[in-house]
Amino acid sequence: EVQLVESGGVVVQPGGSLRLSCAASGFTFDDYTMHWVRQAPGKGLEWVSLISWDGGSTYYADSVKGRFTISRDNSKNSLYLQMNSLRTEDTALYYCAKGARYSYGRVFDYWGQGTLVTVSS
Amino acid sequence: EIVLTQSPGTLSLSPGERATLSCRASQSVSSSYLAWYQQKPGQAPRLLIYGASSRATGIPDRFSGSGSGTDFTLTISRLEPEDFAVYYCQQYGSSPPSITFGQGTRLEIK
Repeated sequence: EVQLVESGGVVVQPGGSLRLSCAASGFTFDDYTMHWVRQAPGKGLEWVSLISWDGGSTYYADSVKGRFTISRDNSKNSLYLQMNSLRTEDTALYYCAKGARYSYGRVFDYWGQGTLVTVSS
Repeated sequence: EIVLTQSPGTLSLSPGERATLSCRASQSVSSSYLAWYQQKPGQAPRLLIYGASSRATGIPDRFSGSGSGTDFTLTISRLEPEDFAVYYCQQYGSSPPSITFGQGTRLEIK
């Protein structure tokens, strides 16, 4: 059974930093593209970032480019999101999502339950 | 960036009825790279449809997707009580990666 478990969400002040983690199990982690997707309270979904199976390619939404860094450790079946220069508009539930084998890995066939990041003074 | 606009914002129907949800793109979505997700309160989204019309694993056949270019539709043939939720469309361009979601359609019980 595929499982994705996020952690690291806390309350942080504007301008602060945070690292989110996602522990994956139930599939061959290093075969798949992985993503972070966020959802502000009561709002819709926003794709944040993706990383290729080997970590060689990373892409970001314009709203986080230059502030967030996605990475992975395939030896630990783990995905990370380093978040710097946080803004109040980054407040959201952050989901870790697995890219499906089809569609260039840009369709999300499994999701975690999310970890809540609150940026507030 | 491709902007996806979903309509209606809210759809009120009764169990057993047919639901038709629309997703319109600001420019053509290449190779029908369009997906649909269902999200229930307090839960993560669930993939329903990819490639505009292919059902994901385990999705009942009452869910179907259609469309191409800029106009896409998710149809639920006969609504079950568990189908009342929020539905999102998503496009996924190939190169460079371009991933955006629509704002969602809330399907509520009438």
